[in-house]
Amino acid sequence: GEDVEQSLFLSVREGDSSVINCTYTDSSSTYLYWYKQEPGAGLQLLTYIFSNMDMKQDQRLTVLLNKKDKHLSLRIADTQTGDSAIYFCAESLTGNQFYFGTGTSLTVIP
Amino acid sequence: GAGVSQSPSNKVTEKGKDVELRCDPISGHTALYWYRQSLGQGLEFLIYFQGNSAPDKSGLPSDRFSAERTGGSVSTLTIQRTQQEDSAVYLCASKGTAEKIYEQYFGPGTRLTVT
Repeated sequence: GEDVEQSLFLSVREGDSSVINCTYTDSSSTYLYWYKQEPGAGLQLLTYIFSNMDMKQDQRLTVLLNKKDKHLSLRIADTQTGDSAIYFCAESLTGNQFYFGTGTSLTVIP
Repeated sequence: GAGVSQSPSNKVTEKGKDVELRCDPISGHTALYWYRQSLGQGLEFLIYFQGNSAPDKSGLPSDRFSAERTGGSVSTLTIQRTQQEDSAVYLCASKGTAEKIYEQYFGPGTRLTVT
Protein backbone atom coordinates (compact mmCIF):
# COMPACT_ATOMS: atom_id res chain seq x y z
CA GLY A 1 0.00 0.00 0.00
CA GLU A 2 0.91 3.63 -0.21
CA ASP A 3 3.06 5.12 2.55
CA VAL A 4 2.16 8.47 4.03
CA GLU A 5 4.53 9.76 6.69
CA GLN A 6 4.29 12.53 9.22
CA SER A 7 6.25 13.55 12.25
CA LEU A 8 4.42 12.60 15.43
CA PHE A 9 4.62 15.76 17.51
CA LEU A 10 4.78 19.53 17.08
CA SER A 11 4.67 22.26 19.73
CA VAL A 12 4.22 25.94 18.98
CA ARG A 13 3.47 29.06 20.99
CA GLU A 14 0.11 30.70 20.68
CA GLY A 15 0.18 33.33 17.96
CA ASP A 16 3.03 31.70 16.04
CA SER A 17 2.62 29.85 12.77
CA SER A 18 2.52 26.06 12.72
CA VAL A 19 3.81 24.02 9.83
CA ILE A 20 2.85 20.36 9.67
CA ASN A 21 4.64 18.27 7.07
CA CYS A 22 3.74 15.11 5.21
CA THR A 23 5.48 12.97 2.62
CA TYR A 24 3.87 10.34 0.44
CA THR A 25 5.18 7.75 -1.93
CA ASP A 26 2.58 7.45 -4.68
CA SER A 27 3.43 9.98 -7.36
CA SER A 28 0.07 9.27 -8.99
CA SER A 29 -1.85 10.68 -6.04
CA THR A 30 -4.54 12.96 -7.33
CA TYR A 31 -6.08 14.29 -4.13
CA LEU A 32 -4.27 15.23 -0.95
CA TYR A 33 -6.11 16.02 2.25
CA TRP A 34 -5.66 17.43 5.70
CA TYR A 35 -7.93 16.30 8.52
CA LYS A 36 -8.13 17.47 12.13
CA GLN A 37 -9.04 15.20 15.03
CA GLU A 38 -9.90 16.71 18.38
CA PRO A 39 -9.84 14.51 21.51
CA GLY A 40 -12.63 11.94 21.53
CA ALA A 41 -13.92 12.97 18.12
CA GLY A 42 -13.79 11.71 14.58
CA LEU A 43 -11.79 13.30 11.81
CA GLN A 44 -12.88 16.62 10.40
CA LEU A 45 -11.91 17.48 6.84
CA LEU A 46 -10.00 20.77 6.89
CA THR A 47 -9.01 21.15 3.28
CA TYR A 48 -7.80 19.29 0.26
CA ILE A 49 -5.76 20.05 -2.81
CA PHE A 50 -5.69 18.58 -6.28
CA SER A 51 -2.34 17.39 -7.56
CA ASN A 52 -2.35 19.97 -10.35
CA MET A 53 -2.22 22.76 -7.77
CA ASP A 54 0.80 24.08 -5.88
CA MET A 55 -0.97 26.00 -3.19
CA LYS A 56 -4.36 26.49 -1.65
CA GLN A 57 -5.26 29.08 0.95
CA ASP A 58 -8.33 29.09 3.15
CA GLN A 59 -8.39 31.74 5.87
CA ARG A 60 -5.63 30.81 8.35
CA LEU A 61 -4.75 27.61 6.50
CA THR A 62 -2.26 27.36 3.64
CA VAL A 63 -1.56 24.08 1.91
CA LEU A 64 1.61 23.73 -0.14
CA LEU A 65 2.24 20.83 -2.49
CA ASN A 66 5.62 19.91 -3.95
CA LYS A 67 4.83 17.13 -6.38
CA LYS A 68 8.44 16.59 -7.36
CA ASP A 69 9.40 15.82 -3.76
CA LYS A 70 6.01 14.31 -2.90
CA HIS A 71 5.77 16.68 0.03
CA LEU A 72 2.64 18.28 1.41
CA SER A 73 2.50 20.86 4.18
CA LEU A 74 -0.18 22.59 6.19
CA ARG A 75 0.57 26.02 7.60
CA ILE A 76 -1.70 27.42 10.30
CA ALA A 77 -1.24 31.14 10.78
CA ASP A 78 -1.72 32.77 14.20
CA THR A 79 -2.09 29.40 15.92
CA GLN A 80 -4.62 29.34 18.74
CA THR A 81 -5.09 26.93 21.66
CA GLY A 82 -8.18 25.62 19.90
CA ASP A 83 -5.93 24.39 17.11
CA SER A 84 -4.42 21.79 19.46
CA ALA A 85 -5.38 18.47 17.91
CA ILE A 86 -4.03 15.63 15.79
CA TYR A 87 -3.64 16.49 12.12
CA PHE A 88 -3.76 13.74 9.53
CA CYS A 89 -2.48 13.90 6.01
CA ALA A 90 -4.17 11.60 3.48
CA GLU A 91 -3.82 10.88 -0.19
CA SER A 92 -6.02 9.27 -2.80
CA LEU A 93 -5.56 8.32 -6.40
CA THR A 94 -9.20 8.12 -7.42
CA GLY A 95 -11.06 9.81 -4.59
CA ASN A 96 -12.45 6.41 -3.64
CA GLN A 97 -9.72 4.88 -1.48
CA PHE A 98 -7.73 6.91 1.00
CA TYR A 99 -4.37 6.37 2.69
CA PHE A 100 -3.68 8.19 5.92
CA GLY A 101 -0.53 9.14 7.75
CA THR A 102 0.04 8.43 11.42
CA GLY A 103 -1.03 11.93 12.41
CA THR A 104 0.86 14.85 13.95
CA SER A 105 -0.13 15.88 17.44
CA LEU A 106 -0.05 19.68 17.61
CA THR A 107 0.25 21.27 21.04
CA VAL A 108 -0.26 25.01 21.29
CA ILE A 109 1.40 26.55 24.32
CA PRO A 110 -0.41 29.60 25.73
CA GLY B 1 -28.69 17.46 8.06
CA ALA B 2 -27.27 14.95 10.50
CA GLY B 3 -23.71 13.80 10.24
CA VAL B 4 -22.33 10.28 10.46
CA SER B 5 -23.34 8.61 13.69
CA GLN B 6 -21.87 5.55 15.35
CA SER B 7 -23.01 3.39 18.23
CA PRO B 8 -22.11 2.55 20.85
CA SER B 9 -19.63 5.31 21.63
CA ASN B 10 -17.80 3.01 24.02
CA LYS B 11 -17.81 -0.75 24.29
CA VAL B 12 -16.03 -2.88 26.86
CA THR B 13 -16.08 -6.58 26.21
CA GLU B 14 -14.38 -9.69 27.48
CA LYS B 15 -11.85 -11.52 25.37
CA GLY B 16 -13.55 -14.16 23.25
CA LYS B 17 -16.91 -12.40 23.01
CA ASP B 18 -18.41 -11.11 19.75
CA VAL B 19 -19.17 -7.41 19.25
CA GLU B 20 -21.20 -5.45 16.73
CA LEU B 21 -20.48 -1.83 15.91
CA ARG B 22 -23.00 0.27 14.02
CA CYS B 23 -22.61 3.14 11.59
CA ASP B 24 -25.34 5.39 10.22
CA PRO B 25 -23.93 7.33 7.27
CA ILE B 26 -25.13 10.65 6.00
CA SER B 27 -28.37 10.16 4.14
CA GLY B 28 -27.81 9.68 0.43
CA HIS B 29 -24.11 8.91 0.71
CA THR B 30 -23.26 5.96 -1.48
CA ALA B 31 -19.81 5.14 -0.13
CA LEU B 32 -19.08 3.93 3.39
CA TYR B 33 -15.75 3.15 5.00
CA TRP B 34 -14.56 1.49 8.19
CA TYR B 35 -11.18 2.34 9.69
CA ARG B 36 -9.38 1.30 12.85
CA GLN B 37 -7.30 3.72 14.88
CA SER B 38 -5.01 2.16 17.46
CA LEU B 39 -3.18 4.16 20.10
CA GLY B 40 -0.36 6.05 18.47
CA GLN B 41 -1.20 4.67 15.04
CA GLY B 42 -2.69 6.23 11.99
CA LEU B 43 -5.90 5.11 10.42
CA GLU B 44 -5.93 1.54 9.20
CA PHE B 45 -8.37 0.92 6.36
CA LEU B 46 -10.66 -2.04 6.99
CA ILE B 47 -13.45 -2.16 4.40
CA TYR B 48 -15.16 0.01 1.79
CA PHE B 49 -18.71 -0.19 0.41
CA GLN B 50 -19.67 1.62 -2.79
CA GLY B 51 -23.30 1.47 -3.81
CA ASN B 52 -24.34 -2.03 -4.84
CA SER B 53 -20.83 -3.13 -5.77
CA ALA B 54 -19.05 -5.90 -3.93
CA PRO B 55 -17.25 -4.37 -0.94
CA ASP B 56 -13.49 -3.96 -0.87
CA LYS B 57 -12.53 -6.13 2.11
CA SER B 58 -8.79 -5.95 1.51
CA GLY B 59 -8.09 -4.23 4.83
CA LEU B 60 -9.82 -6.68 7.15
CA PRO B 61 -7.06 -8.05 9.41
CA SER B 62 -8.50 -11.53 9.90
CA ASP B 63 -11.56 -13.64 9.20
CA ARG B 64 -12.86 -12.70 12.64
CA PHE B 65 -13.80 -9.34 11.14
CA SER B 66 -16.78 -8.89 8.85
CA ALA B 67 -19.06 -6.07 7.82
CA GLU B 68 -22.32 -5.66 6.04
CA ARG B 69 -24.32 -2.76 4.75
CA THR B 70 -28.05 -3.24 4.59
CA GLY B 71 -30.20 -1.36 2.12
CA GLY B 72 -27.28 0.77 1.07
CA SER B 73 -27.41 2.69 4.32
CA VAL B 74 -26.61 1.42 7.82
CA SER B 75 -23.50 -0.68 8.25
CA THR B 76 -22.49 -3.12 10.97
CA LEU B 77 -18.92 -4.18 11.69
CA THR B 78 -18.75 -7.49 13.54
CA ILE B 79 -15.72 -8.78 15.37
CA GLN B 80 -15.96 -12.38 16.48
CA ARG B 81 -13.98 -13.92 19.33
CA THR B 82 -12.45 -10.59 20.26
CA GLN B 83 -8.80 -10.40 21.22
CA GLN B 84 -7.00 -7.76 23.27
CA GLU B 85 -5.23 -6.49 20.17
CA ASP B 86 -8.65 -5.58 18.75
CA SER B 87 -8.84 -2.74 21.30
CA ALA B 88 -8.95 0.45 19.27
CA VAL B 89 -11.22 3.22 18.07
CA TYR B 90 -13.29 2.11 15.10
CA LEU B 91 -14.18 4.97 12.80
CA CYS B 92 -16.80 5.03 10.09
CA ALA B 93 -16.89 7.53 7.24
CA SER B 94 -19.24 8.15 4.37
CA LYS B 95 -18.81 9.91 1.07
CA GLY B 96 -21.35 11.44 -1.20
CA THR B 97 -21.68 12.24 -4.83
CA ALA B 98 -21.67 15.26 -7.09
CA GLU B 99 -19.54 18.15 -5.95
CA LYS B 100 -18.60 16.47 -2.65
CA ILE B 101 -17.40 13.27 -4.26
CA TYR B 102 -13.86 13.63 -2.95
CA GLU B 103 -14.78 14.36 0.66
CA GLN B 104 -15.14 11.82 3.44
CA TYR B 105 -17.18 12.64 6.52
CA PHE B 106 -16.30 10.80 9.71
CA GLY B 107 -18.37 9.69 12.65
CA PRO B 108 -17.15 10.15 16.23
CA GLY B 109 -15.98 6.55 16.48
CA THR B 110 -16.58 3.61 18.78
CA ARG B 111 -13.92 2.99 21.39
CA LEU B 112 -13.60 -0.76 21.86
CA THR B 113 -11.80 -2.15 24.88
CA VAL B 114 -11.22 -5.88 25.12
CA THR B 115 -10.37 -7.03 28.64
